[in-house]
Amino acid sequence: QTVVTQEPSFSVSPGGTVTLTCGLSSGSVSTRDYPSWYQQTPGQAPRTLIYGTNTRSSGVPDRFSGSILGNKAALTITGAQADDESDYYCLLYMGSGIWVFGGGTKLTVL
Amino acid sequence: QVQLQESGPGLVKPSQTLPLTCTVSGGSITSGAYYWSWVRQHPGKGLEWIGYMYSSGNTYYSPSLKSRVTISADTSNNQFSLKLSSVTAADTAVYYCARVSYGSGSYFFDSWGQGTLVTVSS
Repeated sequence: QTVVTQEPSFSVSPGGTVTLTCGLSSGSVSTRDYPSWYQQTPGQAPRTLIYGTNTRSSGVPDRFSGSILGNKAALTITGAQADDESDYYCLLYMGSGIWVFGGGTKLTVL
Repeated sequence: QVQLQESGPGLVKPSQTLPLTCTVSGGSITSGAYYWSWVRQHPGKGLEWIGYMYSSGNTYYSPSLKSRVTISADTSNNQFSLKLSSVTAADTAVYYCARVSYGSGSYFFDSWGQGTLVTVSS
């Protein structure tokens, strides 16, 4: 089964820019995989950030952006804030009705 | 604004069937633009997609859980349910229901329930 890969952890300074990536154990991520990104803080349900590779969900600040970088999907946070410290998950559609989450990236803002 | 709310037993014995219900308000589960899904999260771990259903009754399940999972709808109560059979301690997790939006070139999980913790223990 294909594995969706994410960096386990990342650190960014307040005001800085960070790019989290989402790849496949075999092959490249494309827009046809409908990459989406979700933010989760401890004890809370996931919050939808980005869908369709680069469309921000309603109410999501424009410091969050999505893209395809090389063979991976990417989530970029420009001007990171303290409350961006969260877990971030990507989700890819594998076809035939099957979805797979990445393992998640724990982002620290310090 | 659609809202989803999970309900069910917080404790299930090993080998039994885990039953959960998601009650949907602010939208109909028979709407053709959406799928209705279950996702779980083991304690301290990442999200795991379990499966989803369409209003037509079509269902799709994670290959790793397919043999034990059933997702179905109760349209009269605007609910959908999850049944996971032959549970073990490894099925202890927070279970989320979610709505999947499909259309206009997009396909994503757009609304989530708050989640419910289910512990498998004797």
